[in-house]
This record gives sequence, structure tokens and C-alpha cells, in this order.
Amino acid sequence: EAGVAQSPRYKIIEKRQSVAFWCNPISGHATLYWYQQILGQGPKLLIQFQNNGVVDDSQLPKDRFSAERLKGVDSTLKIQPAKLEDSAVYLCASSFRDGYTFGSGTRLTVV
Amino acid sequence: AQSVTQLDSHVSVSEGTPVLLRCNYSSSYSPSLFWYVQHPNKGLQLLLKYTSAATLVKGINGFEAEFKKSETSFHLTKPSAHMSDAAEYFCVVNRLSGKLIFGQGTTLQVKP
Repeated sequence: EAGVAQSPRYKIIEKRQSVAFWCNPISGHATLYWYQQILGQGPKLLIQFQNNGVVDDSQLPKDRFSAERLKGVDSTLKIQPAKLEDSAVYLCASSFRDGYTFGSGTRLTVV
Repeated sequence: AQSVTQLDSHVSVSEGTPVLLRCNYSSSYSPSLFWYVQHPNKGLQLLLKYTSAATLVKGINGFEAEFKKSETSFHLTKPSAHMSDAAEYFCVVNRLSGKLIFGQGTTLQVKP
């Protein structure tokens, strides 16, 4: 089966600019997650969707981060405006029952 | 609340010697536990998972882990390290909602 697709693979932006990441989960996976992985740390959940509804966004900095999952399939994560501390790898994952699949991630560098 | 603690941030072994990466978990219910590996600039790859079946779980590439409820541990082992095993390893517990909680990671160095 096809994996979780993410784009872009890399992104470099200046602070205060905006950026968007895209994720296409595995077909049939109702649950989609966005994780932030700062260098040297384990991934931390930003937001969890069940179909197109939000299950958990308690760790999402809502003043600058937003995410949507239209039609319960693809998802986008946006940061506006970006800060230096947002430099990280942003991982998308999808799951069905207890099976999770991660994408390769988008490496964001904010300068 | 569910959490995991990886007891070593860095482990160094010689090629051909055993590997032990330690993980303790905290959970108010019988959890599902996972070990993931992440090679440099690569995505997360599932090594193995425990879901309340056999307590000794065999994974890919010769890795295995034993779920010990009395010790709240889920240590990862491999009898003989290979150079290609050098990577970052994450112990993970899931919440009932499906959310995965990651440990801080253990860097495995394999010396020739």
C-alpha cells in the first residue's frame, strides 16, 4: 500500500513569514495526526483528527498554528507567523485501529 | 496519564555485542507499547509493538522486547548489534484516544 505522503520535504523561511505543510494519509485511515519533532527530542502531538473532526488540539499553539482536514482525507498544517523556535520536523501520521504509519516529514528551518 | 521514560539518552556498543535499550512506562490501564527507530534524515519505522498478547514481542531486524507489568518496563534487546543498527530509538505508549506519547529517545552508537 502507498505510504503517508508529505510535502514539501524541506522548507526554509524567515521569521514572521507563513508556511504550510500538506499531508495525504493512507487510504481508509480515518485518524490523522500532526507531530512536531524538535532536534534531539521525541515527536510531540500537535493535533489529532478523526475523519474531518478535531479530537485533540490541546498542544497546538493556536495563536500561530492552524490545521484542517477537509473531506476527511488530506490535511494541511499552517504556521503564521513563524518563530525561530518553530524550526523542527513536522510529521504526519495516519492510523487504523492499532496500526500507525508515519510520513517522512517536512523539515522546517526558520531563520 | 500515560508516559514513557527512556532511561538512557545514549548507548554505545561494539558490533556483535548485545544491545539493551531501557524503557519504563506509566499507564492507568494496560497499554499498547511500541518501539520505533529513526535513522538520520529518515522517517519513523516501527520495530515492534505490544498489544496485550504475548509478553515477549519479536520485531524486525532481530529486535525483541519484553513487557513486564510488575516492573512497568518494556526494554528493547538484540543479541548482536550490527553497524546498520546505529540510529535513534523511541519507546512509545498510546492513549485510549489513539494519541502516541513518545519518549525522549535513545541514540544507539555501534562501534566497529
